[in-house]
Amino acid sequence: AQTVTQSQPEMSVQEAETVTLSCTYDTSENNYYLFWYKQPPSRQMILVIRQEAYKQQNATENRFSVNFQKAAKSFSLKISDSQLGDTAMYFCAFLSNAGGTSYGKLTFGQGTILTVHP
Amino acid sequence: DGGITQSPKYLFRKEGQNVTLSCEQNLNHDAMYWYRQDPGQGLRLIYYSQIVNDFQKGDIAEGYSVSREKKESFPLTVTSAQKNPTAFYLCASRRGQADEQYFGPGTRLTVT
Repeated sequence: AQTVTQSQPEMSVQEAETVTLSCTYDTSENNYYLFWYKQPPSRQMILVIRQEAYKQQNATENRFSVNFQKAAKSFSLKISDSQLGDTAMYFCAFLSNAGGTSYGKLTFGQGTILTVHP
Repeated sequence: DGGITQSPKYLFRKEGQNVTLSCEQNLNHDAMYWYRQDPGQGLRLIYYSQIVNDFQKGDIAEGYSVSREKKESFPLTVTSAQKNPTAFYLCASRRGQADEQYFGPGTRLTVT
């Protein structure tokens, strides 16, 4: 079974600064997908960014980018020019592309609470 | 507007009662999921359904039941056998295997 670990329960950053959230995962699969989701105080889960394991290029979405290190099984999220609206809990998630019982199942990390200070 | 709806937003029940949480989607997605979220923990998968009339247990299915009679609907019943039912419940759907999951707004269930 896959596991996802977020080792930082809480992080804080000043507005306009850059912050990096860590995520590591464990899998024996070679082809899979990784996601970062954001859960603001409203508790609505919002997709931030996704990465396909077969792509070497790191995904980028505006101020959000990832550092995907497949060999190290690491998938960190960098938020540049942090804004007050970035305050949320961030979840790293792993999606298996294998068949069988893992098909279509997302495995989530424990989450990191990010607070952006003015 | 396409999306996932969950109702109600807050639900209160007495211990020993079964309760059903609603999840409806108009995204024409085949797969649907139910998660439970507790304070300080990530999301844990309760049940999922890849197609109508078929569903599989997730990691914490004990005390829960589901049905998938229609593509749009995936209701979750929290039975009296669930020892600790108070939690935030999230429903999600997905179009295809490589696609991300889209989440509903969630239902906060409190059992006293």
